[in-house]
Amino acid sequence: QKEVEQNSGPLSVPEGAIASLNCTYSDRGSQSFFWYRQYSGKSPELIMSIYSNGDKEDGRFTAQLNKASQYVSLLIRDSQPSDSATYLCAVIPSGGGADGLTFGKGTHLIIQP
Amino acid sequence: NAGVTQTPKFQVLKTGQSMTLQCAQDMNHNSMYWYRQDPGMGLRLIYYSASEGTTDKGEVPNGYNVSRLNKREFSLRLESAAPSQTSVYFCASSLTAGVSPLHFGNGTRLTVT
Repeated sequence: QKEVEQNSGPLSVPEGAIASLNCTYSDRGSQSFFWYRQYSGKSPELIMSIYSNGDKEDGRFTAQLNKASQYVSLLIRDSQPSDSATYLCAVIPSGGGADGLTFGKGTHLIIQP
Repeated sequence: NAGVTQTPKFQVLKTGQSMTLQCAQDMNHNSMYWYRQDPGMGLRLIYYSASEGTTDKGEVPNGYNVSRLNKREFSLRLESAAPSQTSVYFCASSLTAGVSPLHFGNGTRLTVT
């Protein structure tokens, strides 16, 4: 069973601080990794993609990938109350994954004003 | 740019009734998916269509049927609704299965009484 694990939270972070969200995956051959943001009552929205080891930055967001440790993380700098949401980690497993992505259950992030 | 459009947004059914959830995408994507999302369960794949003309079962297909009407449209049918099918349903699409991220529609909130 190919799994993606996330701490469900809630993760509470003060406004202006760095929020760090973590995800581990079981399929060592996974090649593509994504972070989705889901506001309460809304649909998941793609915010970051990362395909190779290292860091990828996009505005206040940084995705980090370590394939050796089977670990992917999302850092949110200068956290804002509008960042409060559930963040879903998703992986395309080895073998291509014609059935889409394998999703974690998400981490609920709360940014405290 | 509409992206992925789902109808209806809300629906209430009585046990035993049938209905069809509609989904259309205008991004010229090849692959389409139906997920359900329940509290604590995360996103679970119901059916998917890797390309026009093909459909396959996902993790939780029982009680559902699908039709890939053309490249743009992928419908989900509940033949005899049950209270266990009360959920939020998301349609998603991707350019290429196993390679590209998913883009989600706004969801359908279904209640079966």
